Amino acid sequence: KAGVTQTPRYLIKTRGQQVTLSCSPISGHRSVSWYQQTPGQGLQFLFEYFSETQRNKGNFPGRFSGRQFSNSRSEMNVSTLELGDSALYLCASSPGQGRTEQYFGPGTRLTVT
Amino acid sequence: KNEVEQSPQNLTAQEGEFITINCSYSVGISALHWLQQHPGGGIVSLFMLSSGKKKHGRLIATINIQEKHSSLHITASHPRDSAVYICAVRSYSDKLIFGTGTRLQVFP
Repeated sequence: KAGVTQTPRYLIKTRGQQVTLSCSPISGHRSVSWYQQTPGQGLQFLFEYFSETQRNKGNFPGRFSGRQFSNSRSEMNVSTLELGDSALYLCASSPGQGRTEQYFGPGTRLTVT
Repeated sequence: KNEVEQSPQNLTAQEGEFITINCSYSVGISALHWLQQHPGGGIVSLFMLSSGKKKHGRLIATINIQEKHSSLHITASHPRDSAVYICAVRSYSDKLIFGTGTRLQVFP
């Protein structure tokens, strides 16, 4: 089976812009979670989607949003980018329905200038 | 105080040494994960456990639910084990809470 894929792998944006990141889970996995990793805060949970519904959300401002499509692919969007949004954004998929082992993608490295 | 604490933060070892990384947590959990992150960012899930002990090759993970503590052991360490090891707990609200990681360097 192909692993979790994320696009793009690298992205440079300017303050005030918005960005959309994409994640394709392992085939058959219905749960997708998003995480932000920064040198200062480490790894932090953003949100989790299961069967197109947001099941859980971390403590991030409303500028961070996401969605999941019927094929389980997920996107996350960050509006009005700030310098502090520069980070590695990781998504992970899991089968769901009680099986929570996470399979991580390679991440998207976002730089905001 | 962080809800998930790891120690040590940094660890240097000679090839062949036995290594232990510790994780303590202060919240109720349904499971604990050990993750490995290599330079470049890719994360691999090593273990997910909710009780007892698991072994995979040279890696062993244990958890003591009563003491809210878990350990990751690496036997016969090798330079390719050099990575950041991250402990994460799944809280009862079903969120993953991460430790700050342990940076391991194994020298030949």
